[in-house]
Order: sequence, then C-alpha cells, then structure tokens
Amino acid sequence: DIQMTQSPSSLSASVGDTVTITCRASQSISMYLSWFQQKVGKSPKLLISASSSLRNGVPARFSGGGSGTEYVLTISSLQPEDFATYYCQQTASTPYTFGQGTKLEIK
Amino acid sequence: QVQLQESGPRLVRPSETLSLTCTVSGGSFSHYYWSWIRQAPGKTLEWIGYIYYTGSTVYTPSLKSRVAISLDMSKSHFSLQLASVTAADTAVYYCARVSDGWSNFDLWGQGILVTVSS
Repeated sequence: DIQMTQSPSSLSASVGDTVTITCRASQSISMYLSWFQQKVGKSPKLLISASSSLRNGVPARFSGGGSGTEYVLTISSLQPEDFATYYCQQTASTPYTFGQGTKLEIK
Repeated sequence: QVQLQESGPRLVRPSETLSLTCTVSGGSFSHYYWSWIRQAPGKTLEWIGYIYYTGSTVYTPSLKSRVAISLDMSKSHFSLQLASVTAADTAVYYCARVSDGWSNFDLWGQGILVTVSS
C-alpha cells in the first residue's frame, strides 16, 4: 500500500493568512493526488485533483502543486469558511489511501 | 444534478453482516466507478472498494475477505455488505462516485453512521 504522510496534523491561523499543507507519498504517485475539505458532520468535498487542477466552483485562493512524492495545498487569504479539516488522497494505485488529515483552526 | 444517498440499519450486532445501499439519482452509472469509504470516529478516511459500471470490483486488502459491493442499475443503486462485523467497524460510511482517468472522488453522499454493538 502507498502510505500518505500529511503535515502538519493541526494548524492555527488567522483570517487573511496564507497556509500550506504538505503531503508526502511513500512512492511516486505521478500527480494522482487529490485534496479534500471536510467540515464537521459533513462529507468530504473535492477541492483539487491531479495535483493542481482546481475543481469547478472552488475559490481561486486554493491551489495545489507537486509531483513525484511531494505535494502541497496552499490556501491564500484565509476566509472564515476555510476552517476545516483537509485530507490528501492518492489514486495512483489501489488501495487508494488518504493522509491523516490537517485540522485548520482559527487563531 | 446527480445525488447520492446512503441508507440502511444504523445499528448492527457483532458477528452479523452490515448492509448499506447507495441510491443514485439524476445521473447515469456508465463510465464511472462507484465506491464505499468509511471514517471511524475521529479518524481519517478509509477506502473500502469500488465497483465499475461493468460490474468489476476491487477491494482494499484488509477487508477483502469480508466485503462485497454490488450494483443494480435497474434500481439505481449500489450496495455494500461487510460480514462478521466487530466494534472496529463502527464508522460513518460514505458512498461516492469516482471518475475514470484520474479516479476523482467527485461526488459523495452525506454519510451514515453505523454502530456495531450488542
């Protein structure tokens, strides 16, 4: 199985800040990397696929990048609705696996 | 627009079989994978498996001996069966649509909490 290591596990930031979350795969996943946002009691929402492709309707302050084994999610100019938990996921090979999550909290 | 909705018993006894259904409304099954994912309380997401619209299945190895996913397009739903459950199977179970190509999990149901307890 491909292991996904996400960091940090939690993050405190203020409205207007820029934050970066990192996801490292245990082997190359060739940009088969998605980012999800999950709010409490809700299902995950796909934000970014194929490492950097922003999904329709997702604000442009969200961006993703990376290749090989290292990937990042950057959120610029944080808004109140962005405080949630974020997960990375690899779909390069089954079993598909998720990172442990990053909880983004308001400072 | 396409919507997914999980349904089934919310309480299952240990050693019994967990059975859930995901009803798909407003769209076609063709050219998509249909997947189950679960999330134990306070934990990350765990992919369980998927079924392609042709009927082929792939399961995560850790659950493969206990899990079955089936598809009934005439009833617009796909189903999950997980046998011999224990308390460790207590989780929110989600169904999701997975696109071909990059395997994007682009549409999710709202989730259903299933508790395994006597």
